[in-house]
Amino acid sequence: DSGVTQTPKHLITATGQRVTLRCSPRSGDLSVYWYQQSLDQGLQFLIQYYNGEERAKGNILERFSAQQFPDLHSELNLSSLELGDSALYFCASSVDGGEGTQYFGPGTRLLVL
Amino acid sequence: AQTVTQSQPEMSVQEAETVTLSCTYDTSENNYYLFWYKQPPSRQMILVIRQEAYKQQNATENRFSVNFQKAAKSFSLKISDSQLGDTAMYFCAFIRGVEETSGSRLTFGEGTQLTVNP
Repeated sequence: DSGVTQTPKHLITATGQRVTLRCSPRSGDLSVYWYQQSLDQGLQFLIQYYNGEERAKGNILERFSAQQFPDLHSELNLSSLELGDSALYFCASSVDGGEGTQYFGPGTRLLVL
Repeated sequence: AQTVTQSQPEMSVQEAETVTLSCTYDTSENNYYLFWYKQPPSRQMILVIRQEAYKQQNATENRFSVNFQKAAKSFSLKISDSQLGDTAMYFCAFIRGVEETSGSRLTFGEGTQLTVNP
C-alpha cells in the first residue's frame, strides 16, 4: 500500500458524459501528479500540482481539467468523454515538487462506452 | 526533451534464476534520477528502485540491483533469485533534477513484460 488513495476504482460511462476522479496523497506529500495509461499511448503525464498550484502540464486535453484543494487532495475532471478516453488514470504523490520519488495510487479504470 | 527506451517488450526467466532488463535514455541534463517501477497484474504501479545520476554507486534493494552507466546512458535492472511474484510489467522512468518547488514529471519507457516460470 503506497498510502495514495484514488476513488472510484472503476468507472463506466457513456460518450459525451463528464466524470470526476479523486486522489488523496500520502500524508505529508505536497505534490500530486496525474498520469494516463492507455494501450496505444503507454504511460503519459497529464498534470502536476504542488501545494495547490499548477506546476507542470503535459499533453492534457482541453476537455480535461484538474485542481488541488487546500487539504491537498486533487480531482481530475474529464468532460465530453470519447471512446479514446478509456484508460487507467493514476494519481501519484511526492513530498516535494521536484525530483522527489513519486508513489502511485491504485488507479481508476475508466471505460467509455 | 527526454526519451526512455526499453527494447525488450517481453522476457521470461525460470524461478530462482537471474534476469536483466535493459533501459536506455536520452537527455542533455546532468542532474537527473532514474527509476524502475513494476506493474503486476493488479495494475498497481510499485516502486522497485531509484538511482541518483550524481552517485557512481549502483543502487540495490534486496534482490534488485541496477547497472547505471551514465556515459552510455544505460540503466539496466537485475533481478536475482527470481520469484513467481516478480511476474509483472517493468517500466524504466526518468525525471530531471529540479528545484523543490519547480514542476516535474516522470517520463516512462514502453515497458518490459517479465514472466517468471516455475
